Amino acid sequence: DAGVTQSPTHLIKTRGQQVTLRCSPKSGHDTVSWYQQALGQGPQFIFQYYEEEERQRGNFPDRFSGHQFPNYSSELNVNALLLGDSALYLCASSLAGQGRYEQYFGPGTRLTVT
Amino acid sequence: KNEVEQSPQNLTAQEGEFITINCSYSVGISALHWLQQHPGGGIVSLFMLSSGKKKHGRLIATINIQEKHSSLHITASHPRDSAVYICAVQETSGSRLTFGEGTQLTVNP
Repeated sequence: DAGVTQSPTHLIKTRGQQVTLRCSPKSGHDTVSWYQQALGQGPQFIFQYYEEEERQRGNFPDRFSGHQFPNYSSELNVNALLLGDSALYLCASSLAGQGRYEQYFGPGTRLTVT
Repeated sequence: KNEVEQSPQNLTAQEGEFITINCSYSVGISALHWLQQHPGGGIVSLFMLSSGKKKHGRLIATINIQEKHSSLHITASHPRDSAVYICAVQETSGSRLTFGEGTQLTVNP
C-alpha cells in the first residue's frame, strides 16, 4: 500500500519563475492538504482539495494555486516566485468520510528560490 | 499569540531519561496530533487523540480537553528519538491542521 508520494524531492528556481509540485495521496484517500514549512518553523496551511475543488484556504496570496485530479492526486503551483517562498512543501492526504481526518504526510518537496 | 504553543522549544536529554513535551492550544478542536519530523523533512504521525490517553511503545500522549493541554511523554529515551516533535490541532470547522513551532529533542548517548 503506497503512502503519500511527492515530486520532485528538491527543486531550485529563480525569482520570478513558476513552479509546480505534485502529490499522490495514500491509496483510498480523497482529500489532499498542502502546507508550507519555512526553516525552523512549524508548517502553515496553504489549502485543501476535495472532490477536485479547493475546500479551505489559508492565508496565502493568489500566487499559490492548486488543482486536484479525478484520481485524487494534486498539484501546487506557485507563480512569480519570491525568495521567501523557499521552504519545504508538505502534502498530506486523508479520507473525508472518517470525520476526524487523520492525515498522512508525504516526504515533502524542498524548494529553493535564488 | 499563536493558537498552538509548545514547550520547551529545545530539549536535551541523556539516554534513558523520561521526557515530556507540552502543548497548549486556544481554539476549539476535534482532535490533536503529535507528529515527528526527522532531519530531511519527512513527517510521521505518532498519535491522533481527542480525549484521554494513548500509548504506543515507549510513547504516551495525553490530552485534557477542558484545560486545552496535551503532553507527549517518551520513556527510556534513546538517541534515535532525536527529532523535532510537533503538536498540531484539527479545528472543529474542518480538517486543516494548525501546527505548533515544534520541539527539537536531542538525546545523547
